[in-house]
Amino acid sequence: DTAVSQTPKYLVTQMGNDKSIKCEQNLGHDTMYWYKQDSKKFLKIMFSYNNKELIINETVPNRFSPKSPDKAHLNLHINSLELGDSAVYFCASSQLAGGLYNEQFFGPGTRLTVL
Amino acid sequence: QKEVEQDPGPLSVPEGAIVSLNCTYSNSAFQYFMWYRQYSRKGPELLMYTYSSGNKEDGRFTAQVDKSSKYISLFIRDSQPSDSATYLCVLRGANAGKSTFGDGTTLTVKP
Repeated sequence: DTAVSQTPKYLVTQMGNDKSIKCEQNLGHDTMYWYKQDSKKFLKIMFSYNNKELIINETVPNRFSPKSPDKAHLNLHINSLELGDSAVYFCASSQLAGGLYNEQFFGPGTRLTVL
Repeated sequence: QKEVEQDPGPLSVPEGAIVSLNCTYSNSAFQYFMWYRQYSRKGPELLMYTYSSGNKEDGRFTAQVDKSSKYISLFIRDSQPSDSATYLCVLRGANAGKSTFGDGTTLTVKP
């Protein structure tokens, strides 16, 4: 069973389009995250939701909008895609409550290419 | 100044070498120290974690923390080609929800 799954795995699209990436976790965790990893492999946190509430919102263009319909899902919608949005987007989950180390479990990533 | 600075790499070593991966940090509020490993085209996964200053050993891997110097290291003994990956140090405060990631060091172990 896949713990953290993301769809799609690959996404190739034109500049200006709107696209969504979906994430689901079956670990029963209370917190989910979106990260962006650029071509230099720097991993940067974008958003985090705890029990469907936004708790981390880093400096990210407002073209990016996360949505958490329930604790097991965190989707990322991107409007008006730009070339600089090309990256690998990772979803992760963790059990924040009572977890000292906050071990995060990552999905396989979605490789977004904007042409 | 970044809260966490990680030796940038890339690092290339022959099989069997001892590898040292290092991070420094500026925020004394960090209490929990972790190392994640990321294989190519995969998500990162937790490799080791530690809380106190000192060494923690797990097989060929040793995590070292020096809180007085704000310095953490991951040592890999008898490195293997299967250790080739990007290693990220990750630090967390006692009450903060956010974990702070280093920029990662890419290691290649050549047979």
